[in-house]
Amino acid sequence: EVQLVQSGAEVKKPGESLRISCRVSGYIFTNYWISWVRQMPGKGLEWMGRIDPSDSYINYSPSFQGHVTISADKSIGTAYLQWSSLKASDTAMYYCARHEAGVKSWFDPWGQGTLVTVSS
Amino acid sequence: EIVLTQSPGTLSLSPGERATLSCRASQSVSSSFLAWYQQKPGQAPRLLIYGASSRGTGIPDRFSGSGSGTDFTLTISRLEPEDFAVYYCQQYGTSPITFGQGTRLAIK
Repeated sequence: EVQLVQSGAEVKKPGESLRISCRVSGYIFTNYWISWVRQMPGKGLEWMGRIDPSDSYINYSPSFQGHVTISADKSIGTAYLQWSSLKASDTAMYYCARHEAGVKSWFDPWGQGTLVTVSS
Repeated sequence: EIVLTQSPGTLSLSPGERATLSCRASQSVSSSFLAWYQQKPGQAPRLLIYGASSRGTGIPDRFSGSGSGTDFTLTISRLEPEDFAVYYCQQYGTSPITFGQGTRLAIK
């Protein structure tokens, strides 16, 4: 069974750094890309960017370029999303999702989500 | 970027009725690279439809997708109680990938 399991909820203060993870199982990690999607409280879905775990090629949405860093460790089948300095506006649910490598593809499946709360 | 506009914002129907949800793109979606997702409260989105009209694995045949170019539709032929949720369309043919703002399907 293909699974994407995300790290647990985080509560942070503004200015702190954070890295959340997405660990995959049930398929070959380097055969598929991973995207990250933000959902702010009560709002819709926003694509943040994607990574090809085979070579760590990354494509960011212009809206998130420079604000977050996406990475992956293919030795342990895990993708990451990180912030160097959190803001209150980063409070949201963050999802990882798998899609076909190298082609334009839908997202399936999704991780269960990681809730990030940033508050002083 | 391609902007997707979903309508209506909220659709109130009863179980057994037919639901028709619309997704309109600001420019043509290449090769029908359009998907639909269902999201229930407290859950991650779930793929329903890809390629505008192909059902995802395990998706009941009461869900169907149609359309091309800039106009796409998700139809639920006979609503079941578990279908009341929020539905999002997504285009994945042009970067950046974008989503519609969602349609809430509510019980009447």
